Amino acid sequence: EAQVTQNPRYLITVTGKKLTVTCSQNMNHEYMSWYRQDPGLGLRQIYYSMNVEVTDKGDVPEGYKVSRKEKRNFPLILESPSPNQTSLYFCASRQAGANYEQYFGPGTRLTVT
Amino acid sequence: GDSVTQMEGPVTLSEEAFLTINCTYTATGYPSLFWYVQYPGEGLQLLLKATKADDKGSNKGFEATYRKETTSFHLEKGSVQVSDSAVYFCALWSGNTPLVFGKGTRLSVIA
Repeated sequence: EAQVTQNPRYLITVTGKKLTVTCSQNMNHEYMSWYRQDPGLGLRQIYYSMNVEVTDKGDVPEGYKVSRKEKRNFPLILESPSPNQTSLYFCASRQAGANYEQYFGPGTRLTVT
Repeated sequence: GDSVTQMEGPVTLSEEAFLTINCTYTATGYPSLFWYVQYPGEGLQLLLKATKADDKGSNKGFEATYRKETTSFHLEKGSVQVSDSAVYFCALWSGNTPLVFGKGTRLSVIA
């Protein structure tokens, strides 16, 4: 089954404790991205990757890091989480090009206290 | 830059009512337009799309027509069901890599 998986689905952590949210897709997609979803703000892109070893900042990259060492994986790293990073996070992937459907993971709800 | 504006929600309708969710866009060139739907507790999934002017996308009884003259892509459904309750996102892609999303419109359908 074609899918994007994220782990963990739920995470409660404390300020400053480094964490990683994993994302993996099994569709051989070139393009992957991370979004955060907040009430009243919709979806905002954090980082995206056009292919292996190619990453770029989205609209809200501050406080986040990513890496793309393999085509299927695109982890999101919070080196020193803060309460304003409490949010719902989505990973997504698609084939390169305009008209291909973007597939989303199920989301990771992060709470930073 | 590119942008998408959706009507503010929430929208509450009775079952079998007619639905319209407005979406207008600003973009350079000729973007592709999409509607995504997010059911409770899930990620977004593509509902329909249109890639050029006057195209009509349709799926699950939903329709949207790409109107270049009014830069709009309004979502419609003739008779909504309780199972249509979700958040709906309009989005565009105009040759810059990221999809640009609207803020989403929450629809609640009551029996």
